Amino acid sequence: DQQVKQNSPSLSVQEGRISILNCDYTNSMFDYFLWYKKYPAEGPTFLISISSIKDKNEDGRFTVFLNKSAKHLSLHIVPSQPGDSAVYFCAASRTSGTYKYIFGTGTRLKVLA
Amino acid sequence: SQTIHQWPATLVQPVGSPLSLECTVEGTSNPNLYWYRQAAGRGLQLLFYSVGIGQISSEVPQNLSASRPQDRQFILSSKKLLLSDSGFYLCAVDLTYNEQFFGPGTRLTVL
Repeated sequence: DQQVKQNSPSLSVQEGRISILNCDYTNSMFDYFLWYKKYPAEGPTFLISISSIKDKNEDGRFTVFLNKSAKHLSLHIVPSQPGDSAVYFCAASRTSGTYKYIFGTGTRLKVLA
Repeated sequence: SQTIHQWPATLVQPVGSPLSLECTVEGTSNPNLYWYRQAAGRGLQLLFYSVGIGQISSEVPQNLSASRPQDRQFILSSKKLLLSDSGFYLCAVDLTYNEQFFGPGTRLTVL
């Protein structure tokens, strides 16, 4: 049972345009969400996070939006750059107890120059 | 700052052979440690986590096991590898509140 889903395995975007990566979750107990970026043969690196008490968090070119009623979050990258080309994973957790993260299957973003 | 060492970086093993992957963490004490696997075409799957020495929780049934003999050492093992064990294995540690830091990973190919 996939509790965190990224239904788009890949996405191609022109340089300078907006990239929108989507993530859906099923467990309403999740209250903290993160996005990780992963290059080939490397470990994922933390990108941005959002708590369920917020609906938006912004950090430079990256903005994460959370829609709790729809159990949906999205990552917006604007403007997109070629260096953003990577696999992006969303992850969800419950802040009570051990921080076990449930990751989505990832979306491969390709930013075209 | 925290550092995670994983070795080996790459490994090719025959089916039925044993496995031992090691993860050591520097720059922290009593960390929560995690083993993840990224298989081809799949996301990051949590395999094991540990909140202390000798304390291991398994997330998925499989032929893998984990041990934590020391505070900052986490080992992933198997007695007999399967083809389906191929993947990219990542060790992670809780970095800050609700954020995990990942090691460089080990690419395992089972032939």
